[in-house]
Amino acid sequence: IAGITQAPTSQILAAGRRMTLRCTQDMRHNAMYWYRQDLGLGLRLIHYSNTAGTTGKGEVPDGYSVSRANTDDFPLTLASAVPSQTSVYFCASSRTSGSRDEQFFGPGTRLTVL
Amino acid sequence: GQNIDQPTEMTATEGAIVQINCTYQTSGFNGLFWYQQHAGEAPTFLSYNVLDGLEEKGRFSSFLSRSKGYSYLLLKELQMKDSASYLCASMDSNYQLIWGAGTKLIIKP
Repeated sequence: IAGITQAPTSQILAAGRRMTLRCTQDMRHNAMYWYRQDLGLGLRLIHYSNTAGTTGKGEVPDGYSVSRANTDDFPLTLASAVPSQTSVYFCASSRTSGSRDEQFFGPGTRLTVL
Repeated sequence: GQNIDQPTEMTATEGAIVQINCTYQTSGFNGLFWYQQHAGEAPTFLSYNVLDGLEEKGRFSSFLSRSKGYSYLLLKELQMKDSASYLCASMDSNYQLIWGAGTKLIIKP
């Protein structure tokens, strides 16, 4: 693995179903993030983790949950998907959550909820 | 509230220079980032400014004025591969990035 990976690449999901988006990084970064990107809107932070074992809520956390059991993995779960959660989801990581550390992004997961 | 404004779309000619402006208003300020995002791909880091002034990095330069809440990204000697969206993001007092919607740059031959 080089960098940050996400799975699946894309998914079509029926409303009401549970779904977990996977994210793994091999850079030993402390901080990880989940964003959603919708047309005409900027990236919006869903949840973040400053270090393994801790998580925090971002701007749009409702309907989503995360866990950070170790440094490398940061899965995002939709407990009961709704059509408004149709979006492109990006996982990102940075060395720390401090100021000038750039965020590295995974390739994204395109999710459609019908 | 927190707000980032940048133009939705710009068009420029190959070989020319283009300036993409961004104004920001966030709760606290810990720096201004620019990212490039090609269609269907992930954003990639271009620049970071926290002090006033111009930072030059090859064909790309980024400027910041903290007193005016203003930044711009300057792209010189435009190439077709520069066709992409350019995302401006301000880091707030909680060290979270607040993102603009992005500026789609179209390069014409």
